[in-house]
Amino acid sequence: SQTIHQWPATLVQPVGSPLSLECTVEGTSNPNLYWYRQAAGRGLQLLFYSVGIGQISSEVPQNLSASRPQDRQFILSSKKLLLSDSGFYLCAWSAAPVIMGYTFGSGTRLTVV
Amino acid sequence: AQKVTQAQTEISVVEKEDVTLDCVYETRDTTYYLFWYKQPPSGELVFLIRRNSFDEQNEISGRYSWNFQKSTSSFNFTITASQVVDSAVYFCALSFTGANSKLTFGKGITLSVRP
Repeated sequence: SQTIHQWPATLVQPVGSPLSLECTVEGTSNPNLYWYRQAAGRGLQLLFYSVGIGQISSEVPQNLSASRPQDRQFILSSKKLLLSDSGFYLCAWSAAPVIMGYTFGSGTRLTVV
Repeated sequence: AQKVTQAQTEISVVEKEDVTLDCVYETRDTTYYLFWYKQPPSGELVFLIRRNSFDEQNEISGRYSWNFQKSTSSFNFTITASQVVDSAVYFCALSFTGANSKLTFGKGITLSVRP
């Protein structure tokens, strides 16, 4: 069966520090991968998605970047965090086309101080 | 373009009340898929149901039921005899079968069930 792992679960980082969140999927090949952010009490904002190794689409210009170095690995990064980067980050995977929906990771709660 | 509207933002009920969460969608595709996800306080989104555009049968799963009506472009979710554990944010979502399909989410409904 397919599983998705996301870590860390919580993170407190100072403003200006770098960020690296990792997401890996097991049990499937060539998944579509997604990074979402959810501000407190708000909806889901799609940040990046990837349909293959090295293929990244950015939905919203921001202080973040994403990379997909391996088929089942998706990394969210920042060189210098801003206070506004605080939020709950969710990774998800799906088959293509998306007719079965997404499976989400457990999320990372990031607080920038 | 695809759009999902969850007009209710917050709902508060007392335990054992029935509650309906509304979802209205817009799409030009004839083949599409509708979903509901639950996000409990722990944060992880949990899949609840998937429905394709050709299947308008209502579905019941325990205390949960879903009413899909193409005529009104709605896919409403009813919780019967609500419980405190039902307290969560509920998202409705829509996808299509195109090569670049992604889920389009509504903004979510925060449901609070009070004991």
